[in-house]
Amino acid sequence: DGGITQSPKYLFRKEGQNVTLSCEQNLNHDAMYWYRQDPGQGLRLIYYSQIVNDFQKGDIAEGYSVSREKKESFPLTVTSAQKNPTAFYLCASSWAGNTEAFFGQGTRLTVV
Amino acid sequence: DAKTTQPNSMESNEEEPVHLPCNHSTISGTDYIHWYRQLPSQGPEYVIHGLTSNVNNRMASLAIAEDRKSSTLILHRATLRDAAVYYCIPFSGGYNKLIFGAGTRLAVHP
Repeated sequence: DGGITQSPKYLFRKEGQNVTLSCEQNLNHDAMYWYRQDPGQGLRLIYYSQIVNDFQKGDIAEGYSVSREKKESFPLTVTSAQKNPTAFYLCASSWAGNTEAFFGQGTRLTVV
Repeated sequence: DAKTTQPNSMESNEEEPVHLPCNHSTISGTDYIHWYRQLPSQGPEYVIHGLTSNVNNRMASLAIAEDRKSSTLILHRATLRDAAVYYCIPFSGGYNKLIFGAGTRLAVHP
């Protein structure tokens, strides 16, 4: 089935460790996005990418890094520089035109 | 980025219509108005979008003001499954940022 997949659903890490969250889509979408959501809050944009090998910072990029080596994949690395990494992370993708975005089911990261 | 204003919360009874308003007075001419909703502990899902004319689909209707500075998402008969946070987002396509505001939390009572 076509869709966007995030893995794992739950992730635990020790403070000071980098961790990479996976996002894969088989919808042939050009654009991909990463968001962070804290409890009771809306989604905040971390990074987005419109084409392979290109990406832009969103509103809260500090402490995060991404890559877009393949159209289907847009992994997010939460680095040790991120002061408060515990959150719900969501990935999305869409075509270049003005159509709907599709979201993954999210990864809940807990850093202890 | 266009700013949006939505009520923090709204309530409805099951099987009654719900009108969810959104103000987007700084919307650009190329922005469509997108609506998404997010159920608890899930990723957002697309509801509907439109540019100028009113739009209907199986989930909802979207009424857009003539000056495009506001819109209303209409759920014709609310169900318990419609309880979610609803986001209104001006968006001009995949080469631009998709920015979420705080949204409206809709509660549906049996």
